[in-house]
Amino acid sequence: TQTVSQSDAHVTVFEGDSVELRCNYSYGGSIYLSWYIQHHGRGLQFLLKYYSGNPVVQGVNGFEAEFSKSDSSFHLRKASVHWSDSAVYFCAVRNSGGSNAKLTFGKGTKLSVKS
Amino acid sequence: DPKIIQKPKYLVAVTGSEKILICEQYLGHNAMYWYRQSAKKPLEFMFSYSYQKLMDNQTASSRFQPQSSKKNHLDLQITALKPDDSATYFCASSQAGTGNTGQLYFGEGSKLTVL
Repeated sequence: TQTVSQSDAHVTVFEGDSVELRCNYSYGGSIYLSWYIQHHGRGLQFLLKYYSGNPVVQGVNGFEAEFSKSDSSFHLRKASVHWSDSAVYFCAVRNSGGSNAKLTFGKGTKLSVKS
Repeated sequence: DPKIIQKPKYLVAVTGSEKILICEQYLGHNAMYWYRQSAKKPLEFMFSYSYQKLMDNQTASSRFQPQSSKKNHLDLQITALKPDDSATYFCASSQAGTGNTGQLYFGEGSKLTVL
């Protein structure tokens, strides 16, 4: 069974600040890790994913995430946030085995960017 | 243009009634999913289909029945509605099988309120 933990329910920063949204997972095998963004009242949109290779992956709109096997983490970062980055961010894990294995999502972190 | 169409966007139902949520995707995907989002459970996997066949069912209640009349359709029929069914239901799609690397495409959701 895979689990995803996002320890921060809410993060508030100012425009131009850097931000890191934390994600920890538990699963013994090979997995796909991904991040999604959900603006208020909208569906989720894919940001980035990791499976293997360079542990730092780049996504859309300046987001990047770093995988750490030793920490079982996949934290999302952005160097300089914009007010439009205000949204809820979900970390997700899918095991690489089997077909059509479901994504398991964390509870989400609400990012508020103040101007 | 939206690639995953969900209808209706909002609906109100009375306890005990039945509703059908419609989902059509125009991404050429062969895997489709239903997720539910409520205040109690932020993003909960319900079903996955691949090539119009049920692959995974994490919904305990048989009151929820997915229906796939075409390969790009996955509707969700909910019978004997209860207030606890109030949630936003998201349809999603992806490449099937090994093509599913954790990147899902979501619709805008159908927000159901049961009175």
